[in-house]
Amino acid sequence: AAGVIQSPRHLIKEKRETATLKCYPIPRHDTVYWYQQGPGQDPQFLISFYEKMQSDKGSIPDRFSAQQFSDYHSELNMSSLELGDSALYFCASSSPRRMGSRAEQYFGPGTRLTVT
Amino acid sequence: AQTVTQSQPEMSVQEAETVTLSCTYDTSESNYYLFWYKQPPSRQMILVIRQEAYKQQNATENRFSVNFQKAAKSFSLKISDSQLGDTAMYFCASRSGGGADGLTFGKGTHLIIQP
Repeated sequence: AAGVIQSPRHLIKEKRETATLKCYPIPRHDTVYWYQQGPGQDPQFLISFYEKMQSDKGSIPDRFSAQQFSDYHSELNMSSLELGDSALYFCASSSPRRMGSRAEQYFGPGTRLTVT
Repeated sequence: AQTVTQSQPEMSVQEAETVTLSCTYDTSESNYYLFWYKQPPSRQMILVIRQEAYKQQNATENRFSVNFQKAAKSFSLKISDSQLGDTAMYFCASRSGGGADGLTFGKGTHLIIQP
């Protein structure tokens, strides 16, 4: 079965640079979520999108922005990168709301961002 | 706001034994969902089991089952006949039933299955 695709899988950036992470949800999934997992930490919810509209917002820094496109893929844009942004960034997707709001979130493999 | 607490940072059991991981949560929502996710060394987040709060029956998925005590806000995971491949971080998570709400995770329990 098709899974969530994230690119790139690894990214190295310097402080104050920008980075763009991409997420391609499972086919026919219309909701996308972004999470940040620091070393030895649990995943922290950043933001979610449903039908290309922002749906829920967590602890996303103002330096970060995200959007969902007409084909349901999503991009997380990160500017003025800091050393503390080094983390594993997960994208997850879930199936349409009409199938019931109990839809589970399925995670991609993550993008490992290293800021030097 | 939701909070999830896992009080066991690490557990170790012998292969084939049964192990129970604890989780407590707090929420003001009447409609919510609880999950257990597994994160092996590959760092992939894998959904293990799901429980809808409105269901009294405990969820079961093969060797994995939960003990959902709604009044006590407790959601423990039992792994039967543990296998070496079960070695991983296990995260308990909750979300409201609102649709596209993010998950709130506990700090995780590192489970080690010894041969």
